[in-house]
Amino acid sequence: IAGITQAPTSQILAAGRRMTLRCTQDMRHNAMYWYRQDLGLGLRLIHYSNTAGTTGKGEVPDGYSVSRANTDDFPLTLASAVPSQTSVYFCASSDEGTSGYNEQFFGPGTRLTVL
Amino acid sequence: GQNIDQPTEMTATEGAIVQINCTYQTSGFNGLFWYQQHAGEAPTFLSYNVLDGLEEKGRFSSFLSRSKGYSYLLLKELQMKDSASYLCAVYDSNYQLIWGAGTKLIIKP
Repeated sequence: IAGITQAPTSQILAAGRRMTLRCTQDMRHNAMYWYRQDLGLGLRLIHYSNTAGTTGKGEVPDGYSVSRANTDDFPLTLASAVPSQTSVYFCASSDEGTSGYNEQFFGPGTRLTVL
Repeated sequence: GQNIDQPTEMTATEGAIVQINCTYQTSGFNGLFWYQQHAGEAPTFLSYNVLDGLEEKGRFSSFLSRSKGYSYLLLKELQMKDSASYLCAVYDSNYQLIWGAGTKLIIKP
C-alpha cells in the first residue's frame, strides 16, 4: 500500500535517553518533513529534506537531528530526550517541483512521552 | 513574525452549512492549503488556493482573498463524519508551510 509509515506508533521514554523515530515513504517523493504537533499550537516544522543527501532546519530544530541517506527513509533522532519533547510527531512527504502545488502527505504519527 | 489565525472551536448542526475563517500574515505568499484532521489521525489534504476566488470540490469550497490575507473553508450539508479539526496553512516566500493551530469543528445531530 503506497504511503508513509512511521514507527513506533507510541513510546514512553525516560529523560536523557536517545530515541530514533522512523519514517519511510514509498511514493518516491523527493521532499520529506518532520513536524511536531502540540495541543493549541499549529504543526511546527522540525527538519526537512528537499532531496536525498540534503537536510535543513525548520522552526524548532534544537534537540533533534535527521539524516536522508536515500529517497525513502527520513529518521528523526532525539539525542537526549527532555520532557518538553513530549508531543505527537508527524512525518510528511511531497513531490516538489512536479505540479502546480505540492500537497504534503502525512504519516500516521508517533505519540512520544518523555518522563 | 508570521501568523495564521483561526477560531479555536466551532459548533454546527448536521445538515447545515458552516464557514471556517483563516487570516494570515506571512512573509510572502505562494498558496494556501486546508487540511482535515480527525482526532488521533494524520492531517489529510482538502484544498489549495493560490489565486483569488472560490474553489469548489463537492460539499467543500475554499475561498481566498490575497489582498485581505483571508481565506475560508465552507462545508455544506454537514455530516457527523465532518467532526474534525480543520487546519489552514500558507506557503511563505521560501515555500515553507506555516500552519494555523486548527479549528475544531463539532457537529451536533
